[in-house]
Amino acid sequence: AQKVTQAQTEISVVEKEDVTLDCVYETRDTTYYLFWYKQPPSGELVFLIRRNSFDEQNEISGRYSWNFQKSTSSFNFTITASQVVDSAVYFCALSESRFGNEKLTFGTGTRLTIIP
Amino acid sequence: KAGVTQTPRYLIKTRGQQVTLSCSPISGHRSVSWYQQTPGQGLQFLFEYFSETQRNKGNFPGRFSGRQFSNSRSEMNVSTLELGDSALYLCASSLGGTGGSDEQFFGPGTRLTVL
Repeated sequence: AQKVTQAQTEISVVEKEDVTLDCVYETRDTTYYLFWYKQPPSGELVFLIRRNSFDEQNEISGRYSWNFQKSTSSFNFTITASQVVDSAVYFCALSESRFGNEKLTFGTGTRLTIIP
Repeated sequence: KAGVTQTPRYLIKTRGQQVTLSCSPISGHRSVSWYQQTPGQGLQFLFEYFSETQRNKGNFPGRFSGRQFSNSRSEMNVSTLELGDSALYLCASSLGGTGGSDEQFFGPGTRLTVL
């Protein structure tokens, strides 16, 4: 069955430190998509990235970077030089083509607190 | 371009009542998905509608139902409310085409409290 595990429930770091959020997934599909979303206190989920299962290239977007490794079924997210505005709950999610690509299975989220 | 809108933002109901939540997707988006978020169960997929048809369904009881109109707006209904239905209900819209997973844009959610 499809499953997403975010083992880190809460992380606190001092501003300007780097932080990595872990995500491990399980799927029987060969075609799937992985996502990261940010949920600030307002509650709205903000899309950060989508990756398909055939593209293992790492991606960097400003201070954000993602490391996708199929061999370990992981899709980790790193924030470099963290800022207070990065404080939020971050969710990793998986969608599988056999369930229709719009069905997202979410991890339990990691609450990130950046201490000024 | 306007984002996904959900109404109402907050709702208080009592056990046994029913409730209808509304979601207006981004213009041009034909897929609308609904999710329930609770502290205990996290974010769970309820169902997805595309072109007025339910295309996918999560593992929720029949008390949870939905529909989609020709303008892609969607409503979600919960009948015979239970205390455990208290949650943040999130709606997401996407283009919904096949062949790839489109980015889903989420609305601000409806916070439902059942007393």
